[in-house]
Amino acid sequence: AQKVTQAQTEISVVEKEDVTLDCVYETRDTTYYLFWYKQPPSGELVFLIRRNSFDEQNEISGRYSWNFQKSTSSFNFTITASQVVDSAVYFCALSGASTGTASKLTFGTGTRLQVTL
Amino acid sequence: EPEVTQTPSHQVTQMGQEVILRCVPISNHLYFYWYRQILGQKVEFLVSFYNNEISEKSEIFDDQFSVERPDGSNFTLKIRSTKLEDSAMYFCASSERVAGGRNEQFFGPGTRLTVL
Repeated sequence: AQKVTQAQTEISVVEKEDVTLDCVYETRDTTYYLFWYKQPPSGELVFLIRRNSFDEQNEISGRYSWNFQKSTSSFNFTITASQVVDSAVYFCALSGASTGTASKLTFGTGTRLQVTL
Repeated sequence: EPEVTQTPSHQVTQMGQEVILRCVPISNHLYFYWYRQILGQKVEFLVSFYNNEISEKSEIFDDQFSVERPDGSNFTLKIRSTKLEDSAMYFCASSERVAGGRNEQFFGPGTRLTVL
């Protein structure tokens, strides 16, 4: 069975602070994929990033960076110099690697990030 | 940029009524999904669909639920006899055909279902 744990229910920061959102996962698959999605107050789910299990390189995209550590089964997400527009619920998700079939996403419970002025 | 669309954005229904939620996936995508999110909770997988049949379904997806791809563009979720606990946001998603699971699933804006 797959499981994603986001222990931080809610984080509140002041604009320009850096913030890290934690994600820990469990899976028996040897190949799997990890995702982060953003859900702003308007409710839609916005895809941010996908990582595969055999590529542990950290990734940076503008103010966003992701730290994947297979040894600790973690895939943490850092926002540098946070902005009010970053306020949203952030979900970490996991899928197995199935060839030729659809792969469901297993979501964590989400972390609500509140960025204030 | 192509996107997944869903209609209606909000559906209010009486308990026991049937509802059909509609989705138009991205046109070259072949994998389709329904998820739901009860208010304030996590997003939960309901069902996946490929090649005109269900690939996988969760425990939530019982006999009250069904999915259909009635034509080349629409993908529908039907709830036969709604219960109060079916009140949730329902998200449709689609992904391309790629090897393995590295498919990014692109989500629609959701349909908020309220059962009274």
